Amino acid sequence: DAKTTQPTSMDCAEGRAANLPCNHSTISGNEYVYWYRQIHSQGPQYIIHGLKNNETNEMASLIITEDRKSSTLILPHATLRDTAVYYCIVRAPGTYKYIFGTGTRLKVLA
Amino acid sequence: DTGVSQDPRHKITKRGQNVTFRCDPISEHNRLYWYRQTLGQGPEFLTYFQNEAQLEKSRLLSDRFSAERPKGSFSTLEIQRTEQGDSAMYLCASSFRESSYEQYFGPGTRLTVT
Repeated sequence: DAKTTQPTSMDCAEGRAANLPCNHSTISGNEYVYWYRQIHSQGPQYIIHGLKNNETNEMASLIITEDRKSSTLILPHATLRDTAVYYCIVRAPGTYKYIFGTGTRLKVLA
Repeated sequence: DTGVSQDPRHKITKRGQNVTFRCDPISEHNRLYWYRQTLGQGPEFLTYFQNEAQLEKSRLLSDRFSAERPKGSFSTLEIQRTEQGDSAMYLCASSFRESSYEQYFGPGTRLTVT
């Protein structure tokens, strides 16, 4: 079954880069990796997604390994407002079912 | 605010009662999802609609759960004969086909079954 594995929690100093890893070794060849974050008491918010190549947008960068079994989300200059739970998500092949996992609780420290 | 809205935001009910939640997606979004989230866990997929058609339903969804999306607009999620284990946050999300990678989530309905 499709699944993702992430560290339970991480701390990052404000202004430094936050690197959040994710293992998705069961991902199928044509499925994307998605990253969302959830700030306390709100619904999840889309950050970025990728298939094979590294991706960057105004929020973050996504580095995907060549074998596609893992990826890293990079927040280049973390701020206190980036404190949230970050989810690495895959979709079960051939379905519309998105698998969230338990996420990484990132705490940005002043 | 033209985001996804959910109603009610909070619901407390006694075990055995039926409850219904409503989700209003972003108006041009044809895809709609329901998720359930318990404390300390990530959202868990429940069901998916494309327009008015329910195309996917989680095996975790017992026959006490039913969802509808009449006319492909708002959606309702009904739980019959609620159990304490149904206590959770119920999240709705919508997306547009051409950018289906980005789901927009509502604030959720927190259900407490006593």
